[in-house]
Amino acid sequence: AQSVTQLDSQVPVFEEAPVELRCNYSSSVSVYLFWYVQYPNQGLQLLLKYLSGSTLVKGINGFEAEFNKSQTSFHLRKPSVHISDTAEYFCAVSLIQGAQKLVFGQGTRLTINP
Amino acid sequence: KAGVTQTPRYLIKTRGQQVTLSCSPISGHRSVSWYQQTPGQGLQFLFEYFSETQRNKGNFPGRFSGRQFSNSRSEMNVSTLELGDSALYLCASSGDRVGTGELFFGEGSRLTVL
Repeated sequence: AQSVTQLDSQVPVFEEAPVELRCNYSSSVSVYLFWYVQYPNQGLQLLLKYLSGSTLVKGINGFEAEFNKSQTSFHLRKPSVHISDTAEYFCAVSLIQGAQKLVFGQGTRLTINP
Repeated sequence: KAGVTQTPRYLIKTRGQQVTLSCSPISGHRSVSWYQQTPGQGLQFLFEYFSETQRNKGNFPGRFSGRQFSNSRSEMNVSTLELGDSALYLCASSGDRVGTGELFFGEGSRLTVL
């Protein structure tokens, strides 16, 4: 079975500061990796995904993530955050076969302070 | 292109009742998945339908059921509601036949059980 651990439940940062949201996963087989964002009272939106190839993945809104197979990590980064980045961020994995079934982490609430 | 539409957005039921939630996927998408989101358990996979067939199922009791129609619209039903069924129910659609995990989520149906 697959599992995802998001190491921080809440991350407060100041506007224009860099941020890293940490995600570790566990799986005995290869998986796809994702970051989704959920703004208040909305559904989830895909930020970025790693399927194969380059381990550095760029997504929307200036976010990027790096897949590290040896450390089974997929940390999300942004060099300079904006107030509008305030949201909950979810790391997720899926099997390569039957990939519509996502296993999510518990989420990290990112709060941007002015 | 219209997004994933879920109805109703909010509903209140009492214990023992049943509820039916509806989801209209993005036009052309044939895969529809359902997730339950609660503060305690986070996001949990309920089931996924593709071309009217249930392709994946999560670990929920038989009170939770779903179906998909020939136009890809999907419904989920919860019978004999319990207090613990209070949650945000998210529907997601995908256009991938094989599946790469890129899901497009609706805004959810928030169910409160009293």
